[in-house]
Amino acid sequence: KQEVTQIPAALSVPEGENLVLNCSFTDSAIYNLQWFRQDPGKGLTSLLLIQSSQREQTSGRLNASLDKSSGRSTLYIAASQPGDSATYLCAGKTQGAQKLVFGQGTRLTINP
Amino acid sequence: EAGVVQSPRYKIIEKKQPVAFWCNPISGHNTLYWYLQNLGQGPELLIRYENEEAVDDSQLPKDRFSAERLKGVDSTLKIQPAELGDSAVYLCASSLATGSPLHFGNGTRLTVT
Repeated sequence: KQEVTQIPAALSVPEGENLVLNCSFTDSAIYNLQWFRQDPGKGLTSLLLIQSSQREQTSGRLNASLDKSSGRSTLYIAASQPGDSATYLCAGKTQGAQKLVFGQGTRLTINP
Repeated sequence: EAGVVQSPRYKIIEKKQPVAFWCNPISGHNTLYWYLQNLGQGPELLIRYENEEAVDDSQLPKDRFSAERLKGVDSTLKIQPAELGDSAVYLCASSLATGSPLHFGNGTRLTVT
């Protein structure tokens, strides 16, 4: 059974810093991994999707990597801005299960 | 492109009452999901549809929860009767196909008193 963990639960950094959010999963037979952003009272917005055959995906200031052998994914945010403040969730889909399993999220605060 | 639309946004009911949530997925998206999200937690899958067929409902508490997706488009999730522990956000998502990115609606926040 796939389990997804995100540490830390909360992170606060000054504006302008580069930062990394971590996601770990227990089943390396992962089909794809998706990173989402969730603003308070809102649904989830898809940021990046990494297929099992890929090692990373980039969109603007965001870069997500996937290392199946170590069971880890990271989301790198460059030059952070106050508007980046939100909860970031990762979710992995295992081959065969076709079910997306979410981590608990990291609540990110960027201080002006 | 219109996103996933859910209604209502908020619902407050007394325990033992029935409640229903509605979801309209993105046009052309064959796969539809209902997730439950408790405060401070990630979403948990309740049911997944491929067109009108429920292909994964293993996490749906079938004694009180039911769902339908008539004609493979809109979907309704129902709870009857509601319990205090059902208070949560109910999220609907859709994707073009099973391996495609998920797109979420804003959710329905249910409070059971």
